[in-house]
Amino acid sequence: EAGVTQFPSHSVIEKGQTVTLRCDPISGHDNLYWYRRVMGKEIKFLLHFVKESKQDESGMPNNRFLAERTGGTYSTLKVQPAELEDSGVYFCASSQVSDGGGYTFGSGTRLTVV
Amino acid sequence: RKEVEQDPGPFNVPEGATVAFNCTYSNSASQSFFWYRQDCRKEPKLLMSVYSSGNEDGRFTAQLNRASQYISLLIRDSKLSDSATYLCVVNIKGQAGTALIFGKGTTLSVSS
Repeated sequence: EAGVTQFPSHSVIEKGQTVTLRCDPISGHDNLYWYRRVMGKEIKFLLHFVKESKQDESGMPNNRFLAERTGGTYSTLKVQPAELEDSGVYFCASSQVSDGGGYTFGSGTRLTVV
Repeated sequence: RKEVEQDPGPFNVPEGATVAFNCTYSNSASQSFFWYRQDCRKEPKLLMSVYSSGNEDGRFTAQLNRASQYISLLIRDSKLSDSATYLCVVNIKGQAGTALIFGKGTTLSVSS
């Protein structure tokens, strides 16, 4: 079974630019989550999709972040315009059930804003 | 106060040692509890779920005390390959989604 795939693995962009991160969940997993870890902090929840619908986006830091999951398959997370404090590792995870367990995380996208 | 607090360590132990990690959580509505393991520059991976009755998986034993809002992980007979960061994770009951709340992690270094 293929795991959760994230692309790119690394991205270095200048402040003010736009970056789009992609996540391909495990096939058949309706639940898709985005998390972020900024340096020195704990991993924090950003949002949760159930199929193509946003179930919970309470963790999204501000309106510079836009997540989509068209068709309920892969998801994208766009940051526009990027700020220095957006630097960190962005993890995607998927699960079959939404009981808090059974998550599989992708290997993450390391974003550096300079 | 952080929602999930862990001693950051690092814990430096020799092979074969027994090491215990502690974690406290602040929200009494927390419903599910987990220990994740994260290797350097890798993604978190589920090590084990934690149940009120306590549970064991090989050399690993997890305990949960709901009254004290305390979770522990015991590793016996440490191996070099156990070196990693151990993340205490809870899921809060009642939230619209199923967001996991992570602690900052406890770093373990096992040496020969």
